[in-house]
Amino acid sequence: AQTVTQSQPEMSVQEAETVTLSCTYDTSENNYYLFWYKQPPSRQMILVIRQEAYKQQNATENRFSVNFQKAAKSFSLKISDSQLGDTAMYFCAFGRAQKLVFGQGTRLTINP
Amino acid sequence: DSGVTQTPKHLITATGQRVTLRCSPRSGDLSVYWYQQSLDQGLQFLIQYYNGEERAKGNILERFSAQQFPDLHSELNLSSLELGDSALYFCASSVVAGGNEQYFGPGTRLTVT
Repeated sequence: AQTVTQSQPEMSVQEAETVTLSCTYDTSENNYYLFWYKQPPSRQMILVIRQEAYKQQNATENRFSVNFQKAAKSFSLKISDSQLGDTAMYFCAFGRAQKLVFGQGTRLTINP
Repeated sequence: DSGVTQTPKHLITATGQRVTLRCSPRSGDLSVYWYQQSLDQGLQFLIQYYNGEERAKGNILERFSAQQFPDLHSELNLSSLELGDSALYFCASSVVAGGNEQYFGPGTRLTVT
């Protein structure tokens, strides 16, 4: 069974700083997807970024980028020029076949 | 707005009761997933339907059941409710049966008293 581990329960940075959230996973599969979801205080789950395991190039979405290290089974999220609206829980998720397996989340606070 | 709708937003009921949560997927999405988010268990996959058929089961209790109708909306039925069933229940949808990104609805917060 796949497992996803987020080792940072909480993080806090100043507005405009860059922050990196860590995620590691365990799987014996070769083809899969990895995702970062954001859950703000509204509790809505918002897809931030997606990475296909077969792609070597790291995914980027505006201020959000990932560092995907397949051999190390590592998938970190970098948020550049952080904004107050980035304050949220961030969940790393492993996707294979029919379901997503989520990590326990990292609570990120952006301070003014 | 993800395009996935869920009703009701909040539900308060007593132990032993039965409730039905409803989900409408994004236009064009054939696959519906149900997840439970609780403080102690985190986000857990419950069940998936694709075009009306059950495709995968996760940590879903026998007291829980779901179905997907011809118009592709889905319902999650929770019966003999216990205090521990209090949680946020999410529905998500995707175009294909697996591997693609899933878009989540706003969730239904269930409180069992």
